[in-house]
Amino acid sequence: SAVISQKPSRDICQRGTSLTIQCQVDSQVTMMFWYRQQPGQSLTLIATANQGSEATYESGFVIDKFPISRPNLTFSTLTVSNMSPEDSSIYLCSVYGLAGGPTGELFFGEGSRLTVL
Amino acid sequence: AQSVTQLGSHVSVSEGALVLLRCNYSSSVPPYLFWYVQYPNQGLQLLLKYTSAATLVKGINGFEAEFKKSETSFHLTKPSAHMSDAAEYFCAVSGHNFNKFYFGSGTKLNVKP
Repeated sequence: SAVISQKPSRDICQRGTSLTIQCQVDSQVTMMFWYRQQPGQSLTLIATANQGSEATYESGFVIDKFPISRPNLTFSTLTVSNMSPEDSSIYLCSVYGLAGGPTGELFFGEGSRLTVL
Repeated sequence: AQSVTQLGSHVSVSEGALVLLRCNYSSSVPPYLFWYVQYPNQGLQLLLKYTSAATLVKGINGFEAEFKKSETSFHLTKPSAHMSDAAEYFCAVSGHNFNKFYFGSGTKLNVKP
């Protein structure tokens, strides 16, 4: 399985600021995704992080609000820009396609719990 | 478009009783289906997956699920609940190229002593 490290694990931020979440995987992966899990709700796919190119965003999510980088096959960042209390959520990095790994399994980091005041 | 619907946001069973968590899918083509578990303050962990091999899939911790195309269902079961099974369970679907995974709304399982 993959070891996925997310930083920060939690943070409390002020309205109007931005926060960048890092996701580091211990092996190369084909695909990396960012999900949001709002309190008491399910996971919503924000975007697919594409290596060396712009991320692919789901409906309702835009690059200006959630810029994403993926400079290589093991690392990605998600920035939550100009935060408001509605952005308070858990942000989860997930990966698919480990080299030599099982087919069809999505691995998750432990999430970054963001509270916006 | 693919989606999954989980019936029942909360399920409560007694220790030793049958666990049944429901998931129905919507897909224009036969999908791949998954069950994930999330323990408090932890990330998600794969319980089991259906990828068009056997329709009855066995997973970790004694859980299993059966893919029923006629009912578009993929319900999760466990014959005897244990206290440690208390968690939130998510059903998920993807296409055959695994380029996206979509999750249901989740079911919180409570196990009573």
